[in-house]
Formats: sequence, C-alpha cells, structure tokens
Amino acid sequence: DAGVIQSPRHEVTEMGQEVTLRCKPISGHNSLFWYRQTMMRGLELLIYFNNNVPIDDSGMPEDRFSAKMPNASFSTLKIQPSEPRDSAVYFCASSRGLGQPQHFGDGTRLSIL
Amino acid sequence: AQTVTQSQPEMSVQEAETVTLSCTYDTSESDYYLFWYKQPPSRQMILVIRQEAYKQQNATENRFSVNFQKAAKSFSLKISDSQLGDAAMYFCAYRGGSQGNLIFGKGTKLSVKP
Repeated sequence: DAGVIQSPRHEVTEMGQEVTLRCKPISGHNSLFWYRQTMMRGLELLIYFNNNVPIDDSGMPEDRFSAKMPNASFSTLKIQPSEPRDSAVYFCASSRGLGQPQHFGDGTRLSIL
Repeated sequence: AQTVTQSQPEMSVQEAETVTLSCTYDTSESDYYLFWYKQPPSRQMILVIRQEAYKQQNATENRFSVNFQKAAKSFSLKISDSQLGDAAMYFCAYRGGSQGNLIFGKGTKLSVKP
C-alpha cells in the first residue's frame, strides 16, 4: 500500500518566492495534518483537516501561510512570500479518522536563502 | 494546555541490552492517547507504539513496550535486545480524546553501540 506521498522532497528557493508543498494522503484516510519540524521548536502542528474541512489552523504562523484540501486525495501548503525563518522540514500525515494513528510522509526539507 | 516533556536529550545503549526512554506529560483531560514515534536519519516518522489512557494494560509491540503510569502522567518506552537499527530520534506524543493533532516532546536521540 502506498503511504503518504509528499513532494517535493527538497526545495531550495530565494526569499520572497512562493513555495507550494504537496501531499497525497493514504487512500481512505479522511484526516490530514501538516506539521513543521525545526531544531528550535521541534515538531509543531500547523493545520489539520477532517473530511477536507480545516478544523484547527491555530498553528499557522501568519498570513503568509495557507493550506487547502480541494479533495480527499490532495492537499497543499503554500508560503507566500517565503522568508529564511520558514526553513524547516514540513511533514504531512494522514489518519483514518481523528482518533486513529497518524501515518507520516517522508517530509519536505525547505531551505529559504 | 497540554505539554509533553522528554528529559533525556540523548541516550546510549549497548547492542543487545535494554534501554528506557522517559516521557512525562501534563493534561487535565481524562480521555487521551499516547504514542512513541521513531525518526531515523532518513527523517521518516515511524509509529512505534501507542497507548490508550483508558487501558490499564501496558502496550507491547515485539521488543518495544511501555510503562504507562497514569497517576504520575508518565509514559516511558522500553527497548529490549537493542539493535543497531534502533538508533534514531524517539518522540513521545500526546493526543487528546477530543482532538486530532499530536503534541510532541522534543525528542531523545538514541545511539546503539556495537
């Protein structure tokens, strides 16, 4: 079975550019989560969706960050404009329901120069 | 707000021996779940074991087991017969019964010596 698929695996771009991270959850999973991992702050939730509806976006740092889930098999996390402090590993995870274990993708390592 | 604390930034164990990683948490909820995730250098996040708070029996998955002390809000992970492939960052995580998101500790880096 395919796991959570994230793309790209690595992204290097200059500050001010728009960055779009993509995630395909496991088929049949109806909950999707975006996390960010940094050395300073560890793993933090940014936003999560249930049945394609955003439930909690309190972790989104600021208006430069936005996330969408147009259908059950695809989600994006967009940063516009990007800043060096956005450099981190971004993980997407999905679960069969809110109460079920979360399965993580391999993450996107984002570097903003 | 719920918090998860891992007090050991680094641990080391000899191959084939046993090691215990500590985790404490703070919550006022009675219904919640606890997890241990493993993150090897490849940076994958791999679910190792999970525990439902309403269950008194400690969860076990092969060489991995937990010591869940609900009153003390402690959730330690024991790895028996340690293998070189166990070397990784280990994260303790909490999820409230009414919530979907995980709250993670800062992690413990485990080294396994041959």
